[in-house]
Amino acid sequence: GENVEQHPSTLSVQEGDSAVIKCTYSDSASNYFPWYKQELGKRPQLIIDIRSNVGEKKDQRIAVTLNKTAKHFSLHITETQPEDSAVYFCAASLNQAGTALIFGKGTTLSVSS
Amino acid sequence: NAGVTQTPKFQVLKTGQSMTLQCAQDMNHEYMSWYRQDPGMGLRLIHYSVGAGITDQGEVPNGYNVSRSTTEDFPLRLLSAAPSQTSVYFCASSPAETVHGYTFGSGTRLTVV
Repeated sequence: GENVEQHPSTLSVQEGDSAVIKCTYSDSASNYFPWYKQELGKRPQLIIDIRSNVGEKKDQRIAVTLNKTAKHFSLHITETQPEDSAVYFCAASLNQAGTALIFGKGTTLSVSS
Repeated sequence: NAGVTQTPKFQVLKTGQSMTLQCAQDMNHEYMSWYRQDPGMGLRLIHYSVGAGITDQGEVPNGYNVSRSTTEDFPLRLLSAAPSQTSVYFCASSPAETVHGYTFGSGTRLTVV
């Protein structure tokens, strides 16, 4: 089945710096890759996603890139702000139909001002 | 729309007791899934469903049962609770025809003593 690896597990940056989180997946049938942000005590919230027919997608300060050949995808946050501090999870669809998601173990991002 | 509603929000069980975690969505989503979240382990898939009457096992199904008698409801049953099932449980749903970020419920924090 699908396996998703996420690195790093913790990331500390200064306000205004960029942050990059990387994930790899194992099942070539996966075709949907969302990223979630989870604040302490809250539910995961979708921040951006990408499908396998797209190489890059941007939404203001966040962007996601996908390399299907290498089976890896990355989250890029530019001009980080203290409110970006949270746990970030990558995920990959369980199969082509996307009937469920398999998650990475998460990255705790700390942005200091 | 209420989105995805989970009840209860908190529960304490004694070892060996049984209980059902409720999940309901009012968005007419076909896909629903249950996850457990433990520190450092990310979100692990327990069971998922692609529609009424159809369920399948995820990554960590042992000790849990599910059923899907209606599109709206997807309850998770613990038949004989164990301390290892202490966790935060999230239910999530997505439409089938255009799978995009799953919508999560607010979670149930379960403690088994």
